[in-house]
Amino acid sequence: GNSVTQMEGPVTLSEEAFLTINCTYTATGYPSLFWYVQYPGEGLQLLLKATKADDKGSNKGFEATYRKETTSFHLEKGSVQVSDSAVYFCALPVRVDTGRRALTFGSGTRLQVQP
Amino acid sequence: GAGVSQSPSNKVTEKGKDVELRCDPISGHTALYWYRQSLGQGLEFLIYFQGNSAPDKSGLPSDRFSAERTGGSVSTLTIQRTQQEDSAVYLCASSLGAADLYGYTFGSGTRLTVV
Repeated sequence: GNSVTQMEGPVTLSEEAFLTINCTYTATGYPSLFWYVQYPGEGLQLLLKATKADDKGSNKGFEATYRKETTSFHLEKGSVQVSDSAVYFCALPVRVDTGRRALTFGSGTRLQVQP
Repeated sequence: GAGVSQSPSNKVTEKGKDVELRCDPISGHTALYWYRQSLGQGLEFLIYFQGNSAPDKSGLPSDRFSAERTGGSVSTLTIQRTQQEDSAVYLCASSLGAADLYGYTFGSGTRLTVV
């Protein structure tokens, strides 16, 4: 079935550094791909998504490109801020028992940005 | 409502007691999901409600777990005879439609501690 694999964290960067968080997927066909972010003490929020191959999702300075050749959806940001410190989850739909789809999530990557 | 509301935000219970966790989804969202997030772990899918259809219970870890959704809106997750391994953050999410198109909106979660 569909699954995602994320790089292990924590990732520790200085402010204004370049960020890459790797996500690779295994899927049948070309499902939508998502990045979610979880700030300390909060629930998960949708950060960005891409609905088809070669699409680029972007939001709040973050970008991710749906690359079918490498089955990847890496998250990038050119200049991180302390406020970006959070846990980031890659996700894609999987078929559950009833035939409908729910999202399956990677294990999460903790980002710590130091001033 | 404006967002997905979960209550209580924190719950401490004694081993063997039953607990009920509540989720109030965004008005008009037909799909509702429950996930469990254990310390340092990713998100574990538990159950999925779509409109008035029978729920998908394929993710429930044991028969001590059950959930219902009344009137296509509010949902309650019940854990009977709680065990220490049930300690986790329980997240509820709702979606306007198919997860692979819309993604989810999450609540802030209920942190359950079984002592």
